[in-house]
Amino acid sequence: AQKITQTQPGMFVQEKEAVTLDCTYDTSDPSYGLFWYKQPSSGEMIFLIYQGSYDQQNATEGRYSLNFQKARKSANLVISASQLGDSAMYFCAMRDTQETGGFKTIFGAGTRLFVKA
Amino acid sequence: DAGVTQSPTHLIKTRGQQVTLRCSPKSGHDTVSWYQQALGQGPQFIFQYYEEEERQRGNFPDRFSGHQFPNYSSELNVNALLLGDSALYLCASSLLSSFEQYFGPGTRLTVT
Repeated sequence: AQKITQTQPGMFVQEKEAVTLDCTYDTSDPSYGLFWYKQPSSGEMIFLIYQGSYDQQNATEGRYSLNFQKARKSANLVISASQLGDSAMYFCAMRDTQETGGFKTIFGAGTRLFVKA
Repeated sequence: DAGVTQSPTHLIKTRGQQVTLRCSPKSGHDTVSWYQQALGQGPQFIFQYYEEEERQRGNFPDRFSGHQFPNYSSELNVNALLLGDSALYLCASSLLSSFEQYFGPGTRLTVT
C-alpha cells in the first residue's frame, strides 16, 4: 500500500533562513507524482511544487525546491529565505494513478512550520 | 476566473442527520475529488468523480455518497451523521489528464 511519512510534527526557523521539511514515501508503482501543499490557518490547500517520478531534475518553484532522492524514496521540501508568511502546515502528498484512469492523492500527517522574526 | 468554490462554509448538524455539501470546480476542469480532514491530520481521500461517475473511492463507508452534474459541479452527501464525521471537507478539481489539482476553501462540518 502507498504511504507518505512526515516525521516532523513541528519545525522552527528564523526569518530569512532556509528550512528543510522531510518526506518519505512508499510505493511499488514505477510511475507516480509527488506534491507539497501549504495549508494556512484559513484551511485552504495551496499547491507549492510537483515532482514526477521520471523527472531527472529536482523541481523548483521560486523559493521552493524539492530534493528528490528516488533510491531513498524521499522528497524533501526546501524553503529558502523563510518569510513570516510561510508559517503554516505543510503536507507532502503522492498521486496514485489507477487503471481506470482516475487517481487518488494520499497525504502525510503534515509538518507545522513556525517562522520566527 | 473563479477558482474552486464550496458551500456552505460552516455547518452544524446533529448526530443521525443527513448533510449535503456542494462544490463548483475551477472553470475548464472535469474532475472533482473530495477529502475529509480531521483536526490535526492530513486530508483523507473520499472519492473522485469524472464524467458523472464515481471513478475512485477511498476507505469510507457507504454513508458517504456523491454526485457529479453535467456542468461538472459535485455534491457530497453524508447520511446518519456520527460525531466522528466532524471535519473539514475539501473539494479539489482538476483535469483527469493533468497533475495540477486546485482545492476549494473547504466546508467545516460540526456534528453535535
